[in-house]
Amino acid sequence: GNSVTQMEGPVTLSEEAFLTINCTYTATGYPSLFWYVQYPGEGLQLLLKATKADDKGSNKGFEATYRKETTSFHLEKGSVQVSDSAVYFCALRGPSAMGGGYNKLIFGAGTRLAVHP
Amino acid sequence: GAVVSQHPSRVICKSGTSVKIECRSLDFQATTMFWYRQFPKKSLMLMATSNEGSKATYEQGVEKDKFLINHASLTLSTLTVTSAHPEDSSFYICSAQPRDRGGNTGELFFGEGSRLTVL
Repeated sequence: GNSVTQMEGPVTLSEEAFLTINCTYTATGYPSLFWYVQYPGEGLQLLLKATKADDKGSNKGFEATYRKETTSFHLEKGSVQVSDSAVYFCALRGPSAMGGGYNKLIFGAGTRLAVHP
Repeated sequence: GAVVSQHPSRVICKSGTSVKIECRSLDFQATTMFWYRQFPKKSLMLMATSNEGSKATYEQGVEKDKFLINHASLTLSTLTVTSAHPEDSSFYICSAQPRDRGGNTGELFFGEGSRLTVL
C-alpha cells in the first residue's frame, strides 16, 4: 500500500541555517505530494504541494520538488527563522486500489523543527 | 480561506461514558470528511472516511462500533467515542475538502483537533 517515510527529528537549527527534511514515498500510480505544517497549539496547514513529477511546490521560502525517479519530496529552506519552529508532515494522496471517490491522505511520522536565535 | 472547526477542543470524561466530537466546515460544503487520531509525538493515523448521507468507511483495525461517525449534512460530521476507556485518550483531528475544489490533487483543511482524556 501507499506509505510515506520522513526523517526522524527533532531537528535543531540556528536561525538563518539551511534546512532539509527528507521524505520518500511508496505509491501505486502517480500520487500528489504535500507538506503540511503544525505550529504549536494549532491545526495542520498546507505548506506546499506538487501534483506531478518534476513539479516544484514553494511557499514562505520553503521548496520541495517531486522526484519520481527517486520517489522523494524533500523539503528545503535556505534560511530558517525562529517562527518556522513547528512539526512538518510529508503526505501523499494517490490512486486507490478500490477506485472512485476522494483518496486518502497518508502522512509520514512528522519531523519536529526547533530553530534557536 | 476554508475553515474547519472542531468542538470541543478538550474533553475529559469518565471511563464507560460516550463522547461526541463535532467537525464543521464553516464556509464551504464538504461531501467527504476524514477523521484522524494522533498519538503523542506520532503521525496522524486515518481512522475513517466520512461521506455525507452514507455510511463511513473505516480503516483496518478501527472498531466501527466503538467510533461512530455520522455525516448528517454537507457541513457537519460527528465522531462519537462510545464506552470510552483510558486507552482511547488521544488527539482526534478531522479534515475536509471543499466539494468544488481540487479533486484528488486538492488539499484538505484541518480542524484544530480535540484532545480526549478518559479517566
